[in-house]
Amino acid sequence: KQEVTQIPAALSVPEGENLVLNCSFTDSAIYNLQWFRQDPGKGLTSLLLIQSSQREQTSGRLNASLDKSSGRSTLYIAASQPGDSATYLCAATNNAGNMLTFGGGTRLMVKP
Amino acid sequence: GAVVSQHPSRVICKSGTSVKIECRSLDFQATTMFWYRQFPKQSLMLMATSNEGSKATYEQGVEKDKFLINHASLTLSTLTVTSAHPEDSSFYICSADRIHDGETQYFGPGTRLLVL
Repeated sequence: KQEVTQIPAALSVPEGENLVLNCSFTDSAIYNLQWFRQDPGKGLTSLLLIQSSQREQTSGRLNASLDKSSGRSTLYIAASQPGDSATYLCAATNNAGNMLTFGGGTRLMVKP
Repeated sequence: GAVVSQHPSRVICKSGTSVKIECRSLDFQATTMFWYRQFPKQSLMLMATSNEGSKATYEQGVEKDKFLINHASLTLSTLTVTSAHPEDSSFYICSADRIHDGETQYFGPGTRLLVL
């Protein structure tokens, strides 16, 4: 059974800092790995999707990496802004593509 | 606690028929439920936000007349795919916000829909 863990559970940084969020998964036989942003009371917003054959994806100030062999993914946020404050979730899709397993999330606060 | 179930887990139907998917919060009340879908090799995308007793809010590009959402109680939301077509084949997943805990969403296991 896939287990996804996110560390840290909460993070507070001053504006402008670069930061890394970590996601680890126990079963490396994944179809893809996704990173999402969640604002309170809102649905998830997809940030980045990394297919199992890929090593990283970039979008703006965000960069996500995937290392299947070690069961890890990281989300790098450059030059953080107060608007980046949210909960960030990673989720691994199983090989059959029909099951998502979510991590517990990292609650990020970027202080002005 | 905080378990969300979906029924059915898999469904195969003929083109033109309607399919109903249920999302239930088993041990908590949910003010808001969300419906997502994921096509192969694509990211999970929000379809609509459903609040108990009111009309759902649909994301851009999602047809509200095709994807009917009913949120009749604090523990049940249903998604009906009307006149399903093969392009509607996808993985549908719901999540629920627990009352007084709007920062955590609890996800159902998903429903795999295949339209022939």
